[in-house]
Formats: sequence, structure tokens, C-alpha cells
Amino acid sequence: NAGVTQTPKFQVLKTGQSMTLQCAQDMNHEYMSWYRQDPGMGLRLIHYSVGAGITDQGEVPNGYNVSRSTTEDFPLRLLSAAPSQTSVYFCASTKRGLGINEQFFGPGTRLTVL
Amino acid sequence: SQQGEEDPQALSIQEGENATMNCSYKTSINNLQWYRQNSGRGLVHLILIRSNEREKHSGRLRVTLDTSKKSSSLLITASRAADTASYFCARAYSGAGSYQLTFGKGTKLSVIP
Repeated sequence: NAGVTQTPKFQVLKTGQSMTLQCAQDMNHEYMSWYRQDPGMGLRLIHYSVGAGITDQGEVPNGYNVSRSTTEDFPLRLLSAAPSQTSVYFCASTKRGLGINEQFFGPGTRLTVL
Repeated sequence: SQQGEEDPQALSIQEGENATMNCSYKTSINNLQWYRQNSGRGLVHLILIRSNEREKHSGRLRVTLDTSKKSSSLLITASRAADTASYFCARAYSGAGSYQLTFGKGTKLSVIP
């Protein structure tokens, strides 16, 4: 199993540009989520999905869009990039059980918005 | 707002010593999880303790949970240089259609050889 994969690993954008961060998992996990990590802030939840066709907002959803058309993929779209979105983005997945179990994280995407 | 808060923010110890990190949270949980992050890498799950458990062990790791005080601690015994990393606690809550894992800001552990 490849686990959770993310592409690209690095990206530089100009203010106002849009892009999609890709995330895929091959573990048949129902639950997937996107976090951003800023220095000294830990991880903050952007959006999550409990299954195909179902998404919900996390703590910091503004400026981001998600969809979940398949169990495997959970892309994160930046609609109009802003310097405040410079961060490291992590995708994670977990198998649903009694509550949220162990999450498996991807290697991250380091995004810089100029 | 972030619900899991670790203490201390940074910890430096000699190899062979024990390291203790604490985590406090504010609202109810289904379980509490600890993760490790090596510099520049993704997070790796270490251990999960459910709200009805008080203590759990995994190798050199020992986690305790006190739901009355809304706090947890992670003990790493006989630390090694390879344990140098950031450690995060995460509160897991699911209910009323919401499924969220909320992370604290982490404790940066340095183990000096």
C-alpha cells in the first residue's frame, strides 16, 4: 500500500492564482481530512469528509473548497490564493469506527503564496 | 480554537532520561491521541487512549488520561536521540454529525546524545 499520497510536494503561487492540492489514499478509509500547519500553531483542520459525497467545514475553511467524488481522492482547492495561505498542508485518512481512530498522514505540500 | 494544548512547549533532555509531556483540553472527547512529527515530515500516530481508559502502554511510551481534569500525559522512558521530534496531542470528538480531530501546538523534544 502507498498509504496517503499528496502532490505536489512544493508549490509557489502568485496572489490571486488558483490551484488544487491532490490527496489520495489506497486503504479504503472513509474519513479524510485536510490540515494546515503554521509555525507555532500546530495543525488546524480545514475541511473533512466522512465518505464519498459528504464534506464538512473544519476550523479554518475560508478560501478553500473540497469535494469527495470517490473514496480514494480528496482534493483541496485554493480559489484565489493569498499570502495568508502560505503554509504546509497535510492530508490524512482514517477508517471510521467508534469515533475517530488513528489517522494516517501524507508527507505534506509546502505552499508559498507571493 | 485549538482544544489540545501541550506543555511544555520545548523540552531538552539527555539520552537515557525520561521525557514527560502534558496535554490539556477543554471539551468532551471520545479519545485522545498522541502523534510524533520529525522535522519536515508528516505526523505519525503513536498511541490512542479512549475516554474510559486511564492508562495505556506501548513499548517505551506510557499515556495517562484524567477526564476529570481534562488532561493527559505522555511519558517516553529511556529516551534516545532518535526520539527528537515534535509531539502533538489530538482530541477526537464525534457526535451530532461532526467528526473532528483537534490538535494542540505541540511539544518540541530534543534528546542530546
